[in-house]
Amino acid sequence: GQNIDQPTEMTATEGAIVQINCTYQTSGFNGLFWYQQHAGEAPTFLSYNVLDGLEEKGRFSSFLSRSKGYSYLLLKELQMKDSASYLCAVRDGDYKLSFGAGTTVTVRA
Amino acid sequence: ETGVTQTPRHLVMGMTNKKSLKCEQHLGHNAMYWYKQSAKKPLELMFVYSLEERVENNSVPSRFSPECPNSSHLFLHLHTLQPEDSALYLCASSQVLDNEQFFGPGTRLTVL
Repeated sequence: GQNIDQPTEMTATEGAIVQINCTYQTSGFNGLFWYQQHAGEAPTFLSYNVLDGLEEKGRFSSFLSRSKGYSYLLLKELQMKDSASYLCAVRDGDYKLSFGAGTTVTVRA
Repeated sequence: ETGVTQTPRHLVMGMTNKKSLKCEQHLGHNAMYWYKQSAKKPLELMFVYSLEERVENNSVPSRFSPECPNSSHLFLHLHTLQPEDSALYLCASSQVLDNEQFFGPGTRLTVL
């Protein structure tokens, strides 16, 4: 089966940086996604990595190491609105996404 | 309406009831998905449709029955559910099967 691990909860202060790690063991690999999900709302796409390295998109960056089965999502200059659940998902074939259980990030003033 | 919409947003039903969840996408996509999200658990893929043909049935009990009448609409028909089926049911769509998926807000289902 697929195994995707990420921390359950993280807390950080407004303006700080938080790094959410994700490790995976899947039968195949065809890309890794990060989604943000506010309570009671739809998951929204944040980033996609298929090659090793860092992808930067504004305050958010995502890193991938395929050889290590590892990714992280970096959130910089944290804002209160960044309090949400962050989902790591691996596409292991043509289209199937396997999700981690999500990391709940709480940003405190 | 834009994006992916789902109705109802909240549903409470008894174990003997029959109800349906509706999903509509306004993005011109060709693939649609049903996921189940239980508290503190990963999203579980339930069904996948591509061009109105079912391509995935992920060992889902028969008390859940999907229907995709056209590429814009997806239904999940529910009957004789169990309390453990209480969860958030999310619909998603993508341009084609291997593209980024866009999610709807979900239906919060409670089975009494």
